[in-house]
Amino acid sequence: KNEVEQSPQNLTAQEGEFITINCSYSVGISALHWLQQHPGGGIVSLFMLSSGKKKHGRLIATINIQEKHSSLHITASHPRDSAVYICAVGTGNQFYFGTGTSLTVIP
Amino acid sequence: DVKVTQSSRYLVKRTGEKVFLECVQDMDHENMFWYRQDPGLGLRLIYFSYDVKMKEKGDIPEGYSVSREKKERFSLILESASTNQTSMYLCASSLQGVYEQYFGPGTRLTVT
Repeated sequence: KNEVEQSPQNLTAQEGEFITINCSYSVGISALHWLQQHPGGGIVSLFMLSSGKKKHGRLIATINIQEKHSSLHITASHPRDSAVYICAVGTGNQFYFGTGTSLTVIP
Repeated sequence: DVKVTQSSRYLVKRTGEKVFLECVQDMDHENMFWYRQDPGLGLRLIYFSYDVKMKEKGDIPEGYSVSREKKERFSLILESASTNQTSMYLCASSLQGVYEQYFGPGTRLTVT
């Protein structure tokens, strides 16, 4: 069962490119989260969304509740953005996670 | 800043050993979670706890148990480690419900 699907699984971009990562989910949710995981394991939360759009620096996250879809955009990508990006949805007391999108930004 | 710490970054154990992984959070969070992360499978929930002495099974509880005697501490126990439990183990905490989760640095466990 895959409550959360992400695409693409892997992404390579040139520095400066605009990047989009997509997340679709099949369950009713209270909130959707975008997480970032750098090599070595540590995971940090980038955004928590229940509607609309949020922006933090070069990162933008949007959610369409009706379509059960969210996107994470990175503008003017930089090599330090290279990481795995994980979509997670929260429902009740539980979270369901996508398998992640591995992003590599080449200088 | 919220801090979630895990007792070890790397651990090597033998098959059949009892293994304890400890997680401590310093923000008085109600909820604590244990996940394992494997390539291609993403994060999978082993157990979570929404209060002291309370626990709920996640998606893959077999072979694991947990203990939460104090609010800030959540322990994962592998009663008899097996090679298929070689994985990255991540602990997380959240204030309540599905609020933002804060993750520990992870423990990479190898069972030989």
